[in-house]
Amino acid sequence: QSVLTQPPSVSGAPGQRVTISCTGSSSNIGAGYDVHWYQQLPGTVPRLLISGTNYRPSGVPERFSASKSATSASLAITGLQAEDEADYYCQSYDNSLGGFEVFGGGTKLTVL
Amino acid sequence: QVQLQESGPGLVKASETLSLMCTVSGVPISIYYWSWIRQPPGKGLEWIGYIYKTGSTNYNPSLKSRVTMSMDTSKNQVSLNLDSVTAADTATYYCVRARADTVLGAVVLWFDPWGQGAPVTVSS
Repeated sequence: QSVLTQPPSVSGAPGQRVTISCTGSSSNIGAGYDVHWYQQLPGTVPRLLISGTNYRPSGVPERFSASKSATSASLAITGLQAEDEADYYCQSYDNSLGGFEVFGGGTKLTVL
Repeated sequence: QVQLQESGPGLVKASETLSLMCTVSGVPISIYYWSWIRQPPGKGLEWIGYIYKTGSTNYNPSLKSRVTMSMDTSKNQVSLNLDSVTAADTATYYCVRARADTVLGAVVLWFDPWGQGAPVTVSS
């Protein structure tokens, strides 16, 4: 059971907007720590998608955006494309047990 | 351009020690934090820990008693040892560069780039 909770799956048609939630608690997101998002295309290595709410590595389209509020965060993808079909993971810091990095369980995005 | 390459045995016997090496090119390892992250087959990501140039380490509490990370700056390599492995340790192990910030007094990380990963199977 992950410290950060994500829906197991989401889906959307090409061109639509989808969001993926990441729910934490007062010891991680709610404590003020940033949330980072990773994309893992089928059969490939995870890659950083968005760091915090405003840093996208080069090559990541502006269609991907992130937000954070209270004890949760969201990844939004607009203008959904077939190539966006992947697993998405959120990650943050948790200050319990001496402090450590935590991941969400991952969300499988299916483009219909 | 930073490149990371994991190496080590793909098969480890239960109760023995899993040992992996990460060879880094394109940047001296002394200026960054380095982490290991693992992913069991068909499952999600789990952070194992980090090491920094000063020898400073922080490990996932769930693995802390069995994990040791070290670094060899002369070879630009980072290593991972995981003791007393079981089938639950079967996973792909990724070496990653960790970007760091200090927030509310804590060193917090995000991970970019990732190595290609080293699949490890624990056999009984």
